[in-house]
Amino acid sequence: DTGVSQDPRHKITKRGQNVTFRCDPISEHNRLYWYRQTLGQGPEFLTYFQNEAQLEKSRLLSDRFSAERPKGSFSTLEIQRTEQGDSAMYLCASSLEQLNTEAFFGQGTRLTVV
Amino acid sequence: AQTVTQSQPEMSVQEAETVTLSCTYDTSESDYYLFWYKQPPSRQMILVIRQEAYKQQNATENRFSVNFQKAAKSFSLKISDSQLGDAAMYFCAYRSWGSQGNLIFGKGTKLSVKP
Repeated sequence: DTGVSQDPRHKITKRGQNVTFRCDPISEHNRLYWYRQTLGQGPEFLTYFQNEAQLEKSRLLSDRFSAERPKGSFSTLEIQRTEQGDSAMYLCASSLEQLNTEAFFGQGTRLTVV
Repeated sequence: AQTVTQSQPEMSVQEAETVTLSCTYDTSESDYYLFWYKQPPSRQMILVIRQEAYKQQNATENRFSVNFQKAAKSFSLKISDSQLGDAAMYFCAYRSWGSQGNLIFGKGTKLSVKP
């Protein structure tokens, strides 16, 4: 499978714990995005990488959230001290740099904070 | 800031019939992209159709077509000859021409297809 891969698919954690999600983009894609999707809503942009550089962060990305993309390949999204409001689907997408290219999405990681 | 509005939380269509999903957006930009994405249950979001704002011709992809009204800031999706596999959440999305590529999504429309 050469699509965008996310791991894990599901994560249940206790409030206050830290969690980390991984995204493997399509191999030749240099752009990588993280979105959050809560129930009944469309995805909301969190952050964006071009290669290894994090170029944009949404105001939704509080200081408890950190994302990395070492070596410009896979990316991780860490949430520290999770809160119940962090429960959501976290989606990763990747694309080529050209403006007229589509973003390909992974299946997402569903986080439940109990 | 740009916004995308989908006013139909749920829609239903009979198999083989035609259905139209509505989307309006707000922007002060003149150049941008509009998209319709499909999100089947427990599966990843996939692109259905894309429209560049500078193109007057409406985009078409097989059974899927759009009605793009730039002045009215309207971007509806028409699905012809609906199939059971079309059942999914459909999201309308906006992307600025000069942006880094991040998308602004509407809340989505849940489409059911009745056999």
